[in-house]
Amino acid sequence: EAGVAQSPRYKIIEKRQSVAFWCNPISGHATLYWYQQILGQGPKLLIQFQNNGVVDDSQLPKDRFSAERLKGVDSTLKIQPAKLEDSAVYLCASSLGQNQPQHFGDGTRLSIL
Amino acid sequence: SQQGEEDPQALSIQEGENATMNCSYKTSINNLQWYRQNSGRGLVHLILIRSNEREKHSGRLRVTLDTSKKSSSLLITASRAADTASYFCATALNTGGFKTIFGAGTRLFVKA
Repeated sequence: EAGVAQSPRYKIIEKRQSVAFWCNPISGHATLYWYQQILGQGPKLLIQFQNNGVVDDSQLPKDRFSAERLKGVDSTLKIQPAKLEDSAVYLCASSLGQNQPQHFGDGTRLSIL
Repeated sequence: SQQGEEDPQALSIQEGENATMNCSYKTSINNLQWYRQNSGRGLVHLILIRSNEREKHSGRLRVTLDTSKKSSSLLITASRAADTASYFCATALNTGGFKTIFGAGTRLFVKA
């Protein structure tokens, strides 16, 4: 089966600019996750969708981050405006259901200048 | 602090040796999962062990779970250079919702 696809692979922007990431999960996976992984740390959950509804966004900085999952398939994560501390790898994952093994994309490495 | 915390933070061994990584957590869990992450790549799921299971095997991997001590261990036997990666435990909480929390990881380096 095809894996989780993410784009772009790398992105460099200046602070206060905006950026968007795209994720295409594995077909049939109801649950989709966005994680932020800072160098040397474990992934931190930003938002979790079940189909096209939000299950958990308690750690999403909602003043600057937004995410949507249209039609319960693809998802986009946006940052506007970006801060230096947003430099990280943004990982998308999907699973058949909640508490099931997650399949990860290779992430987008974001650098803020 | 994080729900799941791995120990040690880093481990360096010779090829052929066994590698043991530990994970401790704080609250009741539904299951515990171990993942591997190679440099510059996404995480890959290794094993899921449910709260009512005590041990699970997959190839050269052996995972144990002690819910009374709120801890788990991942053993990699006969390690290979290709096992060099970061290993994370992830706890699926049993709080009425469904939330998986990752620890900070153990960085394993296997010398050829």
